[in-house]
Amino acid sequence: KQEVTQIPAALSVPEGENLVLNCSFTDSAIYNLQWFRQDPGKGLTSLLLIQSSQREQTSGRLNASLDKSSGRSTLYIAASQPGDSATYLCAVNGIRDYKLSFGAGTTVTVRA
Amino acid sequence: GAGVSQSPSNKVTEKGKDVELRCDPISGHTALYWYRQSLGQGLEFLIYFQGNSAPDKSGLPSDRFSAERTGGSVSTLTIQRTQQEDSAVYLCASSPDGQKNTEAFFGQGTRLTVV
Repeated sequence: KQEVTQIPAALSVPEGENLVLNCSFTDSAIYNLQWFRQDPGKGLTSLLLIQSSQREQTSGRLNASLDKSSGRSTLYIAASQPGDSATYLCAVNGIRDYKLSFGAGTTVTVRA
Repeated sequence: GAGVSQSPSNKVTEKGKDVELRCDPISGHTALYWYRQSLGQGLEFLIYFQGNSAPDKSGLPSDRFSAERTGGSVSTLTIQRTQQEDSAVYLCASSPDGQKNTEAFFGQGTRLTVV
């Protein structure tokens, strides 16, 4: 069974600092890994999708890396802004099962 | 529509009543997922559809929960004889093909409150 862990559970930083969010998974047989953002009371917004053959993906201030063999992904958010405050979730699309397996999320607060 | 649409957005029901939650996936997406998110908790997988068939129903928490999908499009999640512990946000997602390298898109969810 795929287990996905996100560390830390919560993070508070002053505006302008870079954010580093970690995700680990136990089964490396994956199609892809996806990072999502969730604002309070809202659904999930897709941020980045990394395919199993890729090492990283970038979108604006966001960069996500993937080390499939070690079961790790890291989401970097450069020059954080108060608008980045949200919960960030990683999800693994496993080959051996039919679902996206989610971590519990990292709740980020960026202080102005 | 352009995205995954769920209805209703909010539902308050009395304990013991049945409810139906609806999901309209993105047009052409063959894979559809239902998840549940209880207050302060992570996402709990409920069921996955590939087309109209559900190869993975392992997450349905009890036989009071059922789901169907017709025409490879709209899906309905039904909860019979609702209990207070069913209160949660129910999220639906679709992707072009769940068995390949494709991105999943989520709806805004249905917030269910059982009183």
